[in-house]
Amino acid sequence: QQQVKQSPQSLIVQKGGISIINCAYENTAFDYFPWYQQFPGKGPALLIAIRPDVSEKKEGRFTISFNKSAKQFSLHIMDSQPGDSATYFCAATFSGGYQKVTFGTGTKLQVIP
Amino acid sequence: KAGVTQTPRYLIKTRGQQVTLSCSPISGHRSVSWYQQTPGQGLQFLFEYFSETQRNKGNFPGRFSGRQFSNSRSEMNVSTLELGDSALYLCASSPDGGSRVGEQFFGPGTRLTVL
Repeated sequence: QQQVKQSPQSLIVQKGGISIINCAYENTAFDYFPWYQQFPGKGPALLIAIRPDVSEKKEGRFTISFNKSAKQFSLHIMDSQPGDSATYFCAATFSGGYQKVTFGTGTKLQVIP
Repeated sequence: KAGVTQTPRYLIKTRGQQVTLSCSPISGHRSVSWYQQTPGQGLQFLFEYFSETQRNKGNFPGRFSGRQFSNSRSEMNVSTLELGDSALYLCASSPDGGSRVGEQFFGPGTRLTVL
């Protein structure tokens, strides 16, 4: 029940295209869903996060869509750029609990010129 | 504010040895979590400390242990190293509580290679 399933494992997108990464969770007690971006040689960095009381959150070219009934959420990267090439992790946690964050398995995104 | 720092950045050890990794959180952050990152398993939660107390523990053997000091700095120790312990060990700190729960700030990691 603690799992967060992420797909695809890898993704190649042309510059200017839309990158879409999907995640699904099982535990309905999760109520905070952050996305992290990791470049080679670096630790993950918080990119954007959403709570289940909203269906969409947009920050610049990054949008999270959230479907509470389906227990799914996704990251959309609009106008993808080569600098977006990184590994993306979705995650889930409980705001009422401690800092135990469950991560998806990661998606390696490559944006080609 | 300075970010999360981890030392050392790289380590090479042999099987059977033990290792200690160090993490200094962002100033004011009292929660420190440790993760193991491998290509096959992704980010696996090891444990989380808050005010010198372990609050959460992942599914790792007892060879993996940690502690937190009064200044929130944390160390993790792995005893009797095995080849499978080769990984990137990440430390993350958090302001903890409130609307920012779940927001973690990661260090660059310590790359451990076990030969």
